Amino acid sequence: GAVVSQHPSRVICKSGTSVKIECRSLDFQATTMFWYRQFPKQSLMLMATSNEGSKATYEQGVEKDKFLINHASLTLSTLTVTSAHPEDSSFYICSARGQGTDTQYFGPGTRLTVL
Amino acid sequence: GQNIDQPTEMTATEGAIVQINCTYQTSGFNGLFWYQQHAGEAPTFLSYNVLDGLEEKGRFSSFLSRSKGYSYLLLKELQMKDSASYLCAVSGNSGYSTLTFGKGTMLLVSP
Repeated sequence: GAVVSQHPSRVICKSGTSVKIECRSLDFQATTMFWYRQFPKQSLMLMATSNEGSKATYEQGVEKDKFLINHASLTLSTLTVTSAHPEDSSFYICSARGQGTDTQYFGPGTRLTVL
Repeated sequence: GQNIDQPTEMTATEGAIVQINCTYQTSGFNGLFWYQQHAGEAPTFLSYNVLDGLEEKGRFSSFLSRSKGYSYLLLKELQMKDSASYLCAVSGNSGYSTLTFGKGTMLLVSP
């Protein structure tokens, strides 16, 4: 149980374009989903917390107009990187948490490369 | 604020036992997680400690002392596939508690 999928696994895009990443909880209802970013040899940095049906809560320093998060259902959250730039190239990882639990289960991650 | 410290790197031999320490100073505390992360992959859940003491799960055990702000992950009978980064993460005590991650300990298991 507690499987989280993420799509796509890799994406390469041109500077200035937008990229959408999907995160799905496959076998449980995720009341809360989290989006992280991880640069090489660094730890996971939380970008935002997303609760189903409400606006995401962004961490300090994360531009909410650049990183659009939608959590339309209990099994799906999306992260859209708008007007991507090379410095946005990173490993983006989502996690999902069910109601009444503290444990987050992670998706396999999306490697974004912006040329 | 949140501050989580763990060693950057450790090396060990196949079949041995290794202990990875984690100390934390956080403004809130619900529990402490250990995750394993192989290079280029997402973290996988290993353990969750809320109360003081040792939790054993197969070859992996995790210990917590809330009063000391200290945890360790114990790996027994090391295998080559255990070579990975081990992340210590603390859960805060807000309603939608988030995880704060340490920088991870890169464990290299050699033959």
